[in-house]
Amino acid sequence: GAGVSQSPSNKVTEKGKDVELRCDPISGHTALYWYRQSLGQGLEFLIYFQGNSAPDKSGLPSDRFSAERTGGSVSTLTIQRTQQEDSAVYLCASTPPGSSYNSPLHFGNGTRLTVT
Amino acid sequence: GDSVTQMEGPVTLSEEACLTINCTYTATGYPSLFWYVQYPGEGLQLLLKATKADDKGSNKGFEATYRKETTSFHLEKGSVQVSDSAVYFCASSFSSGSARQLTFGSGTQLTVLP
Repeated sequence: GAGVSQSPSNKVTEKGKDVELRCDPISGHTALYWYRQSLGQGLEFLIYFQGNSAPDKSGLPSDRFSAERTGGSVSTLTIQRTQQEDSAVYLCASTPPGSSYNSPLHFGNGTRLTVT
Repeated sequence: GDSVTQMEGPVTLSEEACLTINCTYTATGYPSLFWYVQYPGEGLQLLLKATKADDKGSNKGFEATYRKETTSFHLEKGSVQVSDSAVYFCASSFSSGSARQLTFGSGTQLTVLP
């Protein structure tokens, strides 16, 4: 079946511009995560959505970052006034209902963001 | 806070060589432990996991044992193949209130030469 889909796969933007990154989780998955993978770094947790609960935004690095999830499915990560240090691969992942902390995440292929 | 430290790469091996990638964790309590693999051009995918002390996860010839006494989860394979070339991430997972968070290591790039 279809996996987690992210778009665009690559995005080049100028410093100061806003960007939107999209994630389509696996159909029926209730939990959705955004991570950031910077060059030579591990994956950095950004935000977590679980069903209709308030999202866990504790990983967002600044108020320039925001995310929403419409209808419990598609999610958009928005970065305003992009900076060069925002350049990274942004990964989305989802898990099905009933998942626990023992359950694996299903990742998309990521969006590579380059801020020039 | 919780953290995961894994062996820095890159690692280059010849085909059929033995592989060990070290991973240690710090955590309050007993997290679940994972190895994820990222093949070129693809997203991360679960390679193996262990959910309690002394558990051994295994898949595709890879193994890792959850060692509580040394807080380690080293990844091993007795004979690597060219197709194993990828980035390997160690991770720990804990449940914190209403959120579940996965803490990743920095990744180890493995290249296997024919």
